Amino acid sequence: AQTVTQSQPEMSVQEAETVTLSCTYDTSESDYYLFWYKQPPSRQMILVIRQEAYKQQNATENRFSVNFQKAAKSFSLKISDSQLGDAAMYFCAYHSGYALNFGKGTSLLVTP
Amino acid sequence: DVKVTQSSRYLVKRTGEKVFLECVQDMDHENMFWYRQDPGLGLRLIYFSYDVKMKEKGDIPEGYSVSREKKERFSLILESASTNQTSMYLCASTPAGGPENEQFFGPGTRLTVL
Repeated sequence: AQTVTQSQPEMSVQEAETVTLSCTYDTSESDYYLFWYKQPPSRQMILVIRQEAYKQQNATENRFSVNFQKAAKSFSLKISDSQLGDAAMYFCAYHSGYALNFGKGTSLLVTP
Repeated sequence: DVKVTQSSRYLVKRTGEKVFLECVQDMDHENMFWYRQDPGLGLRLIYFSYDVKMKEKGDIPEGYSVSREKKERFSLILESASTNQTSMYLCASTPAGGPENEQFFGPGTRLTVL
């Protein structure tokens, strides 16, 4: 079974600064999808960004970008110009063929 | 916008009770999922369904069952609730197709079993 590891239970960043959340995964597949989901306090989980393993180019969505290193099985999320609204739990996920396989999450605190 | 709703935000039940958690999506999605979320454990898949009356076990199906009689509705059933089932339960849906499809989540039901 594929495993997804988020080694940082908590992270903190100051407003306007940049923060990187780490994620590693284990798989024997060659093509797959990776995701970052955000769960704000008391609000619904939403998709932040996705990456197909076959694509060399790192995905970007506005202030959010990923550093995808396929050989190292690493998929980190970079948040630039952090805002107070970025405070949330962030989950890295791997699509295992029938469902998402989630990491344990990283709680991001944004300080003014 | 896709909307996934869950019948209750908070629920308190007693040990041994039969508990029903309901999830409804309004975007005609084929696939629906039930996860439980616990601090330090992330989200774990309980069951999923890819069509009406179809169901597949996830990673932690023990103590749970599901029902999907209509496409838009997916129910999670705790036949005899136990205290170790106290958790946040999240429902999600996604259209049929490839793994690239985004999952849309409901707001969650926080269940406490006393």
